[in-house]
Amino acid sequence: KQEVTQIPAALSVPEGENLVLNCSFTDSAIYNLQWFRQDPGKGLTSLLLIQSSQREQTSGRLNASLDKSSGRSTLYIAASQPGDSATYLCAVTPQGGSEKLVFGKGTKLTVNP
Amino acid sequence: NAGVTQTPKFRILKIGQSMTLQCTQDMNHNYMYWYRQDPGMGLKLIYYSVGAGITDKGEVPNGYNVSRSTTEDFPLRLELAAPSQTSVYFCASSYQGHALAKNIQYFGAGTRLSVL
Repeated sequence: KQEVTQIPAALSVPEGENLVLNCSFTDSAIYNLQWFRQDPGKGLTSLLLIQSSQREQTSGRLNASLDKSSGRSTLYIAASQPGDSATYLCAVTPQGGSEKLVFGKGTKLTVNP
Repeated sequence: NAGVTQTPKFRILKIGQSMTLQCTQDMNHNYMYWYRQDPGMGLKLIYYSVGAGITDKGEVPNGYNVSRSTTEDFPLRLELAAPSQTSVYFCASSYQGHALAKNIQYFGAGTRLSVL
């Protein structure tokens, strides 16, 4: 059974700092890995999707990498801002079924001004 | 663009009551999903649908029912509410073509349900 783990559960950093969020998964047979952002009381917003054949994806100050063989992904946020404060969720799509995402529990990020 | 719309946003139920959580998407997506999120936990799949008239169970289907009579709508029914169903419920949709690796799911804002 696929399991997704995110470390740390919470992270507090000063504004301007570069930071890394970690995600690991137990089964490398995946179609893709996605990073989502969740704001309090809101739904999830997809930030980046990395296909299993890709190594990384970039969007603005965000860069996500994927090492499928080791079951790891990182989300790098450059020059963090208070507006980046949110919970970041990692999810994988296992092969062998329909598009059913398996989520980690998330990392709650606080960027202090 | 409306995207995925969920109603209601909040609801309090008494034990044993029934209710339907509504979900509508206007993106002509063929796949739709229902998840629940308990405090401090990731999302868990309740039910999903690959098209009108087709539904299947996810990881935690007990106590819930769904139907998919149209492409746009995917309601979630709670028949006999229990305290264990207190959670935040999210509906999502996606378009599934041949390239499964490129799928992105779009989420509604959620329904916060308390069963007392």
